[in-house]
Amino acid sequence: DVKVTQSSRYLVKRTGEKVFLECVQDMDHENMFWYRQDPGLGLRLIYFSYDVKMKEKGDIPEGYSVSREKKERFSLILESASTNQTSMYLCASSFRPLAGTNNEQFFGPGTRLTVL
Amino acid sequence: GQNIDQPTEMTATEGAIVQINCTYQTSGFNGLFWYQQHAGEAPTFLSYNVLDGLEEKGRFSSFLSRSKGYSYLLLKELQMKDSASYLCAVRDLGQAGTALIFGKGTTLSVSS
Repeated sequence: DVKVTQSSRYLVKRTGEKVFLECVQDMDHENMFWYRQDPGLGLRLIYFSYDVKMKEKGDIPEGYSVSREKKERFSLILESASTNQTSMYLCASSFRPLAGTNNEQFFGPGTRLTVL
Repeated sequence: GQNIDQPTEMTATEGAIVQINCTYQTSGFNGLFWYQQHAGEAPTFLSYNVLDGLEEKGRFSSFLSRSKGYSYLLLKELQMKDSASYLCAVRDLGQAGTALIFGKGTTLSVSS
């Protein structure tokens, strides 16, 4: 079974703190993703990575950065947390797709981050 | 631009059939996915369509029309456990051919 794990289920931080969210997958997937999910807004892509040390901005990268030093690990960094970054953060991974093939994303359990 | 629309909420009764529609606009369509997400849990994969037509998987089926930018998820013989949010997502060639653009989800409530 594919397993995607995230370092914390719940996290409470203060405004201005630097926050690290860690994600690890065990299926040798090339692609890894970070999303945030908010009521009424759905899943929004923050950053993704299709290879080690490679990263691409998603739809809402502002205020975030990422790191992928090893294939199995993708970290999301909030350099200076703000209250509007309170959200559910979901990590996902997938194989790199061949043309037209199904490369379903497997999601981790999520981290509910509260910034006070 | 890219846009995915699906109804916000739907209700149905046990044993019934429900169809959840999804319309999309994207510059480089490369596949459509449906995910199920129970409250407080991570999304899980349900189906994938890249060619026009119907894909059937047990009680769930998904249909795609690329010319119309339209898909639906059909759930038959509804059960209480089908109460969840259903997410339509499109894979776009523009996102390195790999990232998904998600709709806001349809919350389905199944009652007895």
